Amino acid sequence: GEDVEQSLFLSVREGDSSVINCTYTDSSSTYLYWYKQEPGAGLQLLTYIFSNMDMKQDQRLTVLLNKKDKHLSLRIADTQTGDSAIYFCAESPNSGGYNKLIFGAGTRLAVHP
Amino acid sequence: ETGVTQTPRHLVMGMTNKKSLKCEQHLGHNAMYWYKQSAKKPLELMFVYSLEERVENNSVPSRFSPECPNSSHLFLHLHTLQPEDSALYLCASSQEAGGEAGANVLTFGAGSRLTVL
Repeated sequence: GEDVEQSLFLSVREGDSSVINCTYTDSSSTYLYWYKQEPGAGLQLLTYIFSNMDMKQDQRLTVLLNKKDKHLSLRIADTQTGDSAIYFCAESPNSGGYNKLIFGAGTRLAVHP
Repeated sequence: ETGVTQTPRHLVMGMTNKKSLKCEQHLGHNAMYWYKQSAKKPLELMFVYSLEERVENNSVPSRFSPECPNSSHLFLHLHTLQPEDSALYLCASSQEAGGEAGANVLTFGAGSRLTVL
């Protein structure tokens, strides 16, 4: 089946690291994605990871993938108030010859001083 | 203009009205998508078009009718909607819908906030 689970809320202090976790179900997903949604806006791609990798780093963002456990995490170093948003994890099961993105419910990150 | 543009940004309609949501992309992409985002459910994929052909129709009620006249434009025609259809409707596009070309990166519009009275 296709299902993506995320915790709904995370609160961190400015300057700390944030870790957002996600579990997915479809092992055929070639890529896994993190998107960010700010208030009043659509989703913006943050990063993605190929399924044969276990880590990807991009500036303040680190993605860890445990394919055996179907667990994906996003770490944001030195979290800033501008990082406050909803973060969506997505898997991409291959069905009918094309990829569709299945999103989790989103984790609302609140950054406080 | 660049990116994915959705109009209108806000729409209020009665249950007997007929209205349409419009999406336009200037990215040269070949695939376009409609997603529904509501407080009760995560992002739900509604429709996928690849090269103007519908490739996914995710058990969406017939009161939602998509139209893709060309690869740059996507419409969602609405008629006799219910209050539970109130949601944010997001349009997205990607280079290809197929899985062989690599990561399927979607570019989203800002959404159309629909309220059904």
